[in-house]
Amino acid sequence: DTEVTQTPKHLVMGMTNKKSLKCEQHMGHRAMYWYKQKAKKPPELMFVYSYEKLSINESVPSRFSPECPNSSLLNLHLHALQPEDSALYLCASSLTSGVYNEQFFGPGTRLTVL
Amino acid sequence: AQSVSQHNHHVILSEAASLELGCNYSYGGTVNLFWYVQYPGQHLQLLLKYFSGDPLVKGIKGFEAEFIKSKFSFNLRKPSVQWSDTAEYFCAVNAKDSNYQLIWGAGTKLIIKP
Repeated sequence: DTEVTQTPKHLVMGMTNKKSLKCEQHMGHRAMYWYKQKAKKPPELMFVYSYEKLSINESVPSRFSPECPNSSLLNLHLHALQPEDSALYLCASSLTSGVYNEQFFGPGTRLTVL
Repeated sequence: AQSVSQHNHHVILSEAASLELGCNYSYGGTVNLFWYVQYPGQHLQLLLKYFSGDPLVKGIKGFEAEFIKSKFSFNLRKPSVQWSDTAEYFCAVNAKDSNYQLIWGAGTKLIIKP
């Protein structure tokens, strides 16, 4: 299985809602990533988990809260988002977060904040 | 500042034309280099990667790239493009200076006219 899966595919939420994005991989990878991608732009790194511990937080606002319950799962909890947070949220995984980290990407969750 | 540059933001070609997309980076020391592709409505896929060894790297779908260390370049090539190559192409680099996280170019939108 060489897939990264993400749910839901699409999400529409109001600014007062709380929702979660989910990501799963069964490749035995020990590094998992959250990226934000705006239209026609490259992905922007948000968080990196290495061996289930948060290793990088790229100064992301606290309304985004990551969680790594186990080595296969990664969640992104959303609360009190702003319309400018509307974007494609990508999950990726790699064997490790070190030098040879070839990353495999999921299809993304298209988030719209009203 | 350390960065990754993709020279062409939009490229339009006819089918069977040859393709070369430029990528330059400004990191010193050892780097790992990647080309990712994002087809319309699909997730980011790795086209090819360079870690070490032969600087001419062959990837999927007939793509290849050449690492020229003296020019800090990793250009993507394909001898004869097809309509199905229409996509966004991203060059990415990781290095010790980036904490081995991917630093992305701005992307090149490739449109192939049938």
